Amino acid sequence: EVQLLESGGGLVQPGGSLRLSCAASGFTFRNSAMSWVRQAPGKGLEWVSGISGSAGNTYHADSVEGRFTISRDSSTNTLYLHMNSLRAEDSALYYCARDHLYGGVYFSSDCWGQGTLVTVSS
Amino acid sequence: EIVLTQSPATVSLSPGERATLSCRASQSVSSYLAWYQQKPGQAPRLLIYGASNRATGIPARFSGSGSRTDFTLTISSLEAEDFAVYYCQQRYDWPLTFGQGTRLEIK
Repeated sequence: EVQLLESGGGLVQPGGSLRLSCAASGFTFRNSAMSWVRQAPGKGLEWVSGISGSAGNTYHADSVEGRFTISRDSSTNTLYLHMNSLRAEDSALYYCARDHLYGGVYFSSDCWGQGTLVTVSS
Repeated sequence: EIVLTQSPATVSLSPGERATLSCRASQSVSSYLAWYQQKPGQAPRLLIYGASNRATGIPARFSGSGSRTDFTLTISSLEAEDFAVYYCQQRYDWPLTFGQGTRLEIK
């Protein structure tokens, strides 16, 4: 069974840093593309960052470019989101998701964790 | 970035009725579009990938159609558990983007 378990959220002051973790199990993590998606309270979904499978190419939303970095440790099956220069508008529930490749053509986020809450406030 | 616009923002229907949700892209995304369902307090769930393919375990009453810029999610006969928020997401180009969501509520 595929499982994703996020951790590392909490209260941080504006300008501070935080590292989120996502422990993956039940699938071949090192070959899987992964994403971070966030949701501010009462708001919609916002894609934040993605990392490809074996090549490890990374991508970020414009809103976090230069401040957030996605990475992975395949030896521990863990996905990370390193967040710097945090702002109030970064406050959200952060989900990690597995991006499955269907039919060799279509990536979609087929499995999601339950999220970890980040609050940026003084 | 590619902007996805969903309509309507909210739709009120009764169980047994047909729901038609729209997602329009600001430029062509070919068929690289997915639909997700989210219920309160839960993570999103993948419904449709590649614009028209049901994900594993998704009931046949859910169907997706469209290509390039105009897409539709149809629920043929609403059941109580279908009342939720639905999001489209384009997987055509970076950065990936979601629509703002359509809330499907019980009438």
